[in-house]
Amino acid sequence: SQTIHQWPATLVQPVGSPLSLECTVEGTSNPNLYWYRQAAGRGLQLLFYSVGIGQISSEVPQNLSASRPQDRQFILSSKKLLLSDSGFYLCACSPSGYNEKLFFGSGTQLSVL
Amino acid sequence: SQELEQSPQSLIVQEGKNLTINCTSSKTLYGLYWYKQKYGEGLIFLMMLQKGGEEKSHEKITAKLDEKKQQSSLHITASQPSHAGIYLCGARRNRDDKIIFGKGTRLHILP
Repeated sequence: SQTIHQWPATLVQPVGSPLSLECTVEGTSNPNLYWYRQAAGRGLQLLFYSVGIGQISSEVPQNLSASRPQDRQFILSSKKLLLSDSGFYLCACSPSGYNEKLFFGSGTQLSVL
Repeated sequence: SQELEQSPQSLIVQEGKNLTINCTSSKTLYGLYWYKQKYGEGLIFLMMLQKGGEEKSHEKITAKLDEKKQQSSLHITASQPSHAGIYLCGARRNRDDKIIFGKGTRLHILP
């Protein structure tokens, strides 16, 4: 079964600083990869998803970007963080094929101060 | 875009009591997923429902999907402290769609 590695677990960053969160997947090839954000009162919001290397779809306009340089690596970035970027970021994957459940990483708690 | 409404938003239950969490969509769903999250952790998959009228159980947790595939309920029997956490429903509108989630239900179990 697949394993998702996500780091760091917690991160405190000043406003205006850059961001890079990394997610790697083991145990499956050509997975669909997702970045979700969970903020208080707003539930789990889909930010980006990818069906293959270099293929990124953005769900909401925002200050963030995503990249997939390798089949099982998904990176969430920002050039300049905003206070509103604070939240709990979750990486998820599903085996290739859409009718599959999602497996989630352990998440990164980002606090922008 | 499609939204999922979960109710209640939070729930406090005495240990040993039964409880039900609901998830409702305004549109017919292709697949419905239930997840559990411990505070500050990732989501753990519980069950997936696809067919109208389908019902699945795992230990003391039962999930049902109505015939119209627009509403699902999660029922916990004889609740235990280990059931505490956030329960989220997720759904796909069609086969090629992404999974979107409701806002979750926070469940507290009183000893």
